[in-house]
Amino acid sequence: AQTVTQSQPEMSVQEAETVTLSCTYDTSESDYYLFWYKQPPSRQMILVIRQEAYKQQNATENRFSVNFQKAAKSFSLKISDSQLGDAAMYFCAAQGGAQKLVFGQGTRLTINP
Amino acid sequence: EADIYQTPRYLVIGTGKKITLECSQTMGHDKMYWYQQDPGMELHLIHYSYGVNSTEKGDLSSESTVSRIRTEHFPLTLESARPSHTSQYLCASSRADRLYGYTFGSGTRLTVV
Repeated sequence: AQTVTQSQPEMSVQEAETVTLSCTYDTSESDYYLFWYKQPPSRQMILVIRQEAYKQQNATENRFSVNFQKAAKSFSLKISDSQLGDAAMYFCAAQGGAQKLVFGQGTRLTINP
Repeated sequence: EADIYQTPRYLVIGTGKKITLECSQTMGHDKMYWYQQDPGMELHLIHYSYGVNSTEKGDLSSESTVSRIRTEHFPLTLESARPSHTSQYLCASSRADRLYGYTFGSGTRLTVV
């Protein structure tokens, strides 16, 4: 079975600053994918960034990057130059083998102007 | 534009009524999912389908039922709505390739009074 844990129910950051959201996971699969999703208030959940477990290089998408520590089973999301539009619930998720996507509990990110 | 659509967006209905939440996708995805999102925003998988005429119950027990008689359509039905069914319901779909994760609809916020 897979598990995903987000230990920060809420985070806040000043606009233009950098924030890091934490995520740890557990899986017995050797081939798996990790994702961060963003759910803005009353809006559609969208994929922010993905990481293939066999790739050592950390994924980057514009202001969003991950710190993937495979041995520690850690997958944190760093948001640089935070913007008001980044305010949302962020979900970490893992998918291994033929299994379904498993989500963490979510972290509510607030951006302070 | 290929996407996934949920209707209605908001629904307020009386106890005992039968309701169907609609979900359709135009991406040709074989796999579709229904999630229930609780007030704490945690996501719970309640149903999934890997193709036409294939449906399975998810991790969270639900009194709802689903059907999949067309690839693009995955409706969720509650035969007799109760206040305990008040929640946000999210529909998602995915390709066979795990790299792309899930695509989510905008959700239906159901209130049973």
